[in-house]
Amino acid sequence: DIQLTQSPSFLSASVGDRVTITCRASQGISSYLAWYQHKPGKAPKFLIYAASTLHTGVPSRFSGTGSGTEFTLTISSLQPEDFATYYCQQLNSYPYTFGQGTKLEIK
Amino acid sequence: EVQLVQSGAEVKKPGESLKISCKGSEYNLATYYIGWVRQMPGKGLEWMGMIHPADSDTNYSPTFQGQVTISADKSITTAYLQWSSLKASDTAIYYCARRSALSEGAFDVWGQGTMVTVFS
Repeated sequence: DIQLTQSPSFLSASVGDRVTITCRASQGISSYLAWYQHKPGKAPKFLIYAASTLHTGVPSRFSGTGSGTEFTLTISSLQPEDFATYYCQQLNSYPYTFGQGTKLEIK
Repeated sequence: EVQLVQSGAEVKKPGESLKISCKGSEYNLATYYIGWVRQMPGKGLEWMGMIHPADSDTNYSPTFQGQVTISADKSITTAYLQWSSLKASDTAIYYCARRSALSEGAFDVWGQGTMVTVFS
């Protein structure tokens, strides 16, 4: 199985801050990486696919980069609704594993 | 609006069987892979497996192979996740999700989740 390691696991930030979350794969996955946002009691929300392409309707303050084994999710200016847990997922090979999550909290 | 609607919360005892469902609304569920994702209390998301309802092509994570059964009934556009003998460690929220045909296979539509509680 391909392992995904996200860092940091917890992130404390303020509204307006720029934050970056990293996702590292245990082997190369080209650009087969997606990002999701998850809030308690809600279904996960699809944000980004192919490492850098925003899903329809996702605000432009979200961006993704990377290929191979290292990927990043950046939120350019945090909004109150962005405080949530973020997961990366590899879609290169079965099983389509998720990272362990990064919980973004309000400072 | 395209939706996946999951069956309601369940409370079961260890050793009991269970089958939860996921029905596609406003789209033909049979034309997309449907995956299942587990979230144990206080933990992250885990990919369990996927099925293509049109031909029942199924892939399981090794973690879940033999522990659960993923199935589908394309005639009623519904996918299922079932256990033959539940354990307390199966307590979790289970999400179904549609594998997108356009977004490199990411899960673009998610069900609302089914909470399964197993205790004696």
